[in-house]
Amino acid sequence: GAGVSQSPRYKVAKRGQDVALRCDPISGHVSLFWYQQALGQGPEFLTYFQNEAQLDKSGLPSDRFFAERPEGSVSTLKIQRTQQEDSAVYLCASSLWVIGRSGNTEAFFGQGTRLTVV
Amino acid sequence: SQQGEEDPQALSIQEGENATMNCSYKTSINNLQWYRQNSGRGLVHLILIRSNEREKHSGRLRVTLDTSKKSSSLLITASRAADTASYFCATVLQVGGTSYGKLTFGQGTILTVHP
Repeated sequence: GAGVSQSPRYKVAKRGQDVALRCDPISGHVSLFWYQQALGQGPEFLTYFQNEAQLDKSGLPSDRFFAERPEGSVSTLKIQRTQQEDSAVYLCASSLWVIGRSGNTEAFFGQGTRLTVV
Repeated sequence: SQQGEEDPQALSIQEGENATMNCSYKTSINNLQWYRQNSGRGLVHLILIRSNEREKHSGRLRVTLDTSKKSSSLLITASRAADTASYFCATVLQVGGTSYGKLTFGQGTILTVHP
């Protein structure tokens, strides 16, 4: 596609509910990142995929957060048993950058999914 | 955690004036990038400056980088109402001889340009 696409754009979940957020990266982009952006803050790194391999999940705040990218394209971020502190905008970004190679690290972001846990 | 600080946190100017935003960071970097975020929307890449560069221009944007002070500034000249947005700096870590593409963002500057 022309850009990074995320769905849904908005999600309201009841506390304790599981949610799944989808990201369609730019075709051909090897690298995919998930970020969490709390209100009034800058985005914070959650996890990174190179193709289907999850190479860095150091930013996932708890074991309730799980991400996958099984075929190296579309990625899903799943949050189990949502809590109020999970309310944030979840941003997905893709990039041509590849670990171990110098190159362009410019990231292309989707519009984000705004998650509200009530 | 956030990489560093941006200042000011908020900036309000009139159309036609220049806007300057500053960013500080803490680690050794491969490059520093600036992004714009309009309310309720995703981030848009504006400009990238590598650690061996001191200044870069793109249209009405001018970015400087001082690696000795671990700081950068973004200047928007002749601002327009459409420039109203949040602006974030983001650094890419340098680990050994290679870059690590994860972005570490500052807290952002909210720019309001009044027509």
